[in-house]
Amino acid sequence: EPEVTQTPSHQVTQMGQEVILRCVPISNHLYFYWYRQILGQKVEFLVSFYNNEISEKSEIFDDQFSVERPDGSNFTLKIRSTKLEDSAMYFCASSEASGITNEKLFFGSGTQLSVL
Amino acid sequence: GENVEQHPSTLSVQEGDSAVIKCTYSDSASNYFPWYKQELGKRPQLIIDIRSNVGEKKDQRIAVTLNKTAKHFSLHITETQPEDSAVYFCAAPIATGKLIFGQGTTLQVKP
Repeated sequence: EPEVTQTPSHQVTQMGQEVILRCVPISNHLYFYWYRQILGQKVEFLVSFYNNEISEKSEIFDDQFSVERPDGSNFTLKIRSTKLEDSAMYFCASSEASGITNEKLFFGSGTQLSVL
Repeated sequence: GENVEQHPSTLSVQEGDSAVIKCTYSDSASNYFPWYKQELGKRPQLIIDIRSNVGEKKDQRIAVTLNKTAKHFSLHITETQPEDSAVYFCAAPIATGKLIFGQGTTLQVKP
């Protein structure tokens, strides 16, 4: 069964450093998402991406964050200057269509980001 | 506003008993309601979903019921087993398409 893949599985960085989290969505999917989950808390929406542009972003997704689809397969999340509170599990997800049209969201295995 | 409320936050049952988790949503346009199971350190996995044109869907020991008028939906697990122990999240889309997740329910099934 096709899966969303994410690399790396763990990323440790110093505060103020830039990190790039990478994702390969399922190949026939058109909508891509980043969610994050702080330990013990719920899954929070960060950003959705469709047709090579951001569809929507949350309040969390400030100017320090950016997303890119540099080629036909990868989807990246960049955090320009990491803060301690950015420490979380970051999940990439993809779907064939947007949630409002009843399409399933498939999650990657996540990248655990630790900012020291 | 965008909100999905989930209850209870923790649930402990004896093996073999049933477990019910409830969610309410705020966007009346929502028409797709998935449930995810998340084991410790793992990704959320879709276990069942329901679309707004039906009131109930069942898959073996798992069922989901939907009440669109009241804007709530529930997950029912029957004959619980220790491997059902996990965190369960409901979700609902809002008008823009993004899925909003509930706060999660930690289910513990005691052998």
